[in-house]
Amino acid sequence: QKEVEQDPGPLSVPEGAIVSLNCTYSNSAFQYFMWYRQYSRKGPELLMYTYSSGNKEDGRFTAQVDKSSKYISLFIRDSQPSDSATYLCAMRWGADGLTFGKGTHLIIQP
Amino acid sequence: DAEITQSPRHKITETGRQVTLACHQTWNHNNMFWYRQDLGHGLRLIHYSYGVHDTNKGEVSDGYSVSRSNTEDLPLTLESAASSQTSVYFCASSDSTFYGYTFGSGTRLTVV
Repeated sequence: QKEVEQDPGPLSVPEGAIVSLNCTYSNSAFQYFMWYRQYSRKGPELLMYTYSSGNKEDGRFTAQVDKSSKYISLFIRDSQPSDSATYLCAMRWGADGLTFGKGTHLIIQP
Repeated sequence: DAEITQSPRHKITETGRQVTLACHQTWNHNNMFWYRQDLGHGLRLIHYSYGVHDTNKGEVSDGYSVSRSNTEDLPLTLESAASSQTSVYFCASSDSTFYGYTFGSGTRLTVV
């Protein structure tokens, strides 16, 4: 079983819809959780960073962590065609490198 | 502006050749990382460094090596390139808080 599971999609939704992206993980030691956005042929860029359980909001984006269920989510409100990209969840427990999910390919239809 | 650059952007090499991919950052970050990204596997950690002369093996380090002689650079060397090493390679860096890694634009390597 992979440490981090993420549905690869593609996930296709109409413009303006609320998008929900999710990851599950098995290592209960993970404490730091991140979401990255990656456009085609580009490097990942950090969207959201959260520590431990709870919610964090930044503009149209909300990151949610439920450590008891080992489940993290990213919500995108009022989705735009420019949000079309691959979204990667990532997490770590100490000073080692991040462990990534495989990424979900998101398509926002105009 | 600070940045992290990778070179070359694309590389084609033959099986058995030694290949070095460059990574240079001007963020003055102590921590640097190399990942490879493959369809079906996502991003996997190859090697990482917490400072000059420090190197550590990641999840998929076999066949790769790194050295850190200064803060700015962490070159990745494939000792004897194999077709299984055809991939997109990303370099990343972070400061001591480890909050959010900054990634380069990647090097697409093809081993024929």
